[in-house]
Amino acid sequence: AQSVTQLGSHVSVSEGALVLLRCNYSSSVPPYLFWYVQYPNQGLQLLLKYTSAATLVKGINGFEAEFKKSETSFHLTKPSAHMSDAAEYFCAVSESGGADGLTFGKGTHLIIQP
Amino acid sequence: GAGVSQSPSNKVTEKGKDVELRCDPISGHTALYWYRQSLGQGLEFLIYFQGNSAPDKSGLPSDRFSAERTGGSVSTLTIQRTQQEDSAVYLCASSRTSGGQETQYFGPGTRLLVL
Repeated sequence: AQSVTQLGSHVSVSEGALVLLRCNYSSSVPPYLFWYVQYPNQGLQLLLKYTSAATLVKGINGFEAEFKKSETSFHLTKPSAHMSDAAEYFCAVSESGGADGLTFGKGTHLIIQP
Repeated sequence: GAGVSQSPSNKVTEKGKDVELRCDPISGHTALYWYRQSLGQGLEFLIYFQGNSAPDKSGLPSDRFSAERTGGSVSTLTIQRTQQEDSAVYLCASSRTSGGQETQYFGPGTRLLVL
């Protein structure tokens, strides 16, 4: 069975500082990995995904993530935080052909301090 | 193009009543997913459709929950005899096909409150 662990339910950074949101996964087969962002009262929007091509994946809004098989990690980073980045971020894993859906982490609430 | 739409956006009901939630996927997407988002449980996968068929219904929380998809498009999630623990945001997503690498596009959700 697959699972996702997001360290830190809340992360606070200053505007302009580095953003680092941690995600570790467990999977019995090579996984597909996703980061989604959710703004208040909205659905989830895909930031980026890893599908076994390049291990460093670039997404929207300046975010990127690196797949590290040896560490079973897929941490999300952004060099310089912006106030508009404040939101809930979810890491998710998928193994199969979709029949099991996505398995999500508990989410990390990103707070941007002015 | 239009994204995934869900209706109603909010639903308040009394305990014991039945509710029906609707999802309209992106045109041409063959795969459709239902998830539930609640404070205690986070995001839970409920059920998946490929075309009109749902291969595995074991993710549904109880036999009060059912879902169908007709014409390979619109899906409805029905909750019978609602309970307070059913209060949550119900999210629908669709993807082009059912491959695990496919991006799932989410709707805005239906916020259900059972009094």
